Amino acid sequence: AQSVTQLDSHVSVSEGTPVLLRCNYSSSYSPSLFWYVQHPNKGLQLLLKYTSAATLVKGINGFEAEFKKSETSFHLTKPSAHMSDAAEYFCALSSGDKLTFGTGTRLAVRP
Amino acid sequence: GAGVSQSPSNKVTEKGKDVELRCDPISGHTALYWYRQSLGQGLEFLIYFQGNSAPDKSGLPSDRFSAERTGGSVSTLTIQRTQQEDSAVYLCASSLGTGTLGYEQYFGPGTRLTVT
Repeated sequence: AQSVTQLDSHVSVSEGTPVLLRCNYSSSYSPSLFWYVQHPNKGLQLLLKYTSAATLVKGINGFEAEFKKSETSFHLTKPSAHMSDAAEYFCALSSGDKLTFGTGTRLAVRP
Repeated sequence: GAGVSQSPSNKVTEKGKDVELRCDPISGHTALYWYRQSLGQGLEFLIYFQGNSAPDKSGLPSDRFSAERTGGSVSTLTIQRTQQEDSAVYLCASSLGTGTLGYEQYFGPGTRLTVT
């Protein structure tokens, strides 16, 4: 069975400081992994994806994620948080058709 | 270009009524997905279409839920005899295809359904 675990339900950072949102996965085969962002009352926007190419993946708005097979992790990072990054972030695993989502991490950014 | 669109954006209905939710995928996307987002259950997969066929209906919560897709484009999700537990945001997504290539799914803004 496939699953995604987002280790923190809430993360709060100060503007200009680094962001780390943690995601672990369980998959019986080589996974495709995604990070999505959801701003209030909006749909999901794709930030980045990993599909067995480079293990360090760059996405939009300065976000990056690193695939670590040995740790079954796909953590999302950003060097410097901006107020506009405040949103909910979802890690997702693809089985080839449907996405299995984590429970989400709400990111707050303090001025 | 145009993204995935969904209508209506909000729907309030009385318990026991039927509702139809519509999704227009990105042009050229052969795969279409329905998900449900609720406070208690997070983001749940409901059903997906490859063309007009639905290979996986495993996520549909009950036989009150059905979906169809016509012409390889527009899809409707129908909920019959709505219950209060059906209240949620229903999200539609589309992608160029399915399979192990990890096609990105692009999401619409959702339909917020409230059953009173």
